Amino acid sequence: KNEVEQSPQNLTAQEGEFITINCSYSVGISALHWLQQHPGGGIVSLFMLSSGKKKHGRLIATINIQEKHSSLHITASHPRDSAVYICAVREGGGADGLTFGKGTHLIIQP
Amino acid sequence: KAGVTQTPRYLIKTRGQQVTLSCSPISGHRSVSWYQQTPGQGLQFLFEYFSETQRNKGNFPGRFSGRQFSNSRSEMNVSTLELGDSALYLCASSLQGTDYGYTFGSGTRLTVV
Repeated sequence: KNEVEQSPQNLTAQEGEFITINCSYSVGISALHWLQQHPGGGIVSLFMLSSGKKKHGRLIATINIQEKHSSLHITASHPRDSAVYICAVREGGGADGLTFGKGTHLIIQP
Repeated sequence: KAGVTQTPRYLIKTRGQQVTLSCSPISGHRSVSWYQQTPGQGLQFLFEYFSETQRNKGNFPGRFSGRQFSNSRSEMNVSTLELGDSALYLCASSLQGTDYGYTFGSGTRLTVV
């Protein structure tokens, strides 16, 4: 079973700062997902990665398959970015469902 | 286009009762997966359906079951409810499932008293 570790667990930063959230996993995967969850529960899928790097607006996600590590970056952070960011992986072959990290609680102060 | 619809949004049940939750996926999406979220355990995978067939199942007791209909709508059922079943239950739909992006519903918050 894959172990998914996220760091940091909590992060408070000032508006405009560059944010990095890390995710490590223990077993080879077919895909890694970054999710965003706002208070109230709604989850938005930000990225799905199997290799390389993806960018969407101020968000950038990278993955290093050899090192079993992914990072989510937020440039020019804004208070509306405040949310819980969750990393999830599906093991190679897709035989199992997603395994989730515990999440990173991000607060961006104005 | 309409998103993933989960009903009901909130539910209060008594220990020992059973409950059925519903999930309507995005039109054209054939895969539906279910997740349980609790403060202690975080998000955990329950099961995944594709074209009416259960493709994967998480590590949950047999009291948790589900089904998918020919129109891709899905239901999950929990029988003999326990206090520990109190959680946010989320479903997500995907075009085909494995290695495709997911769209999540807003969830059903179940409270067992």
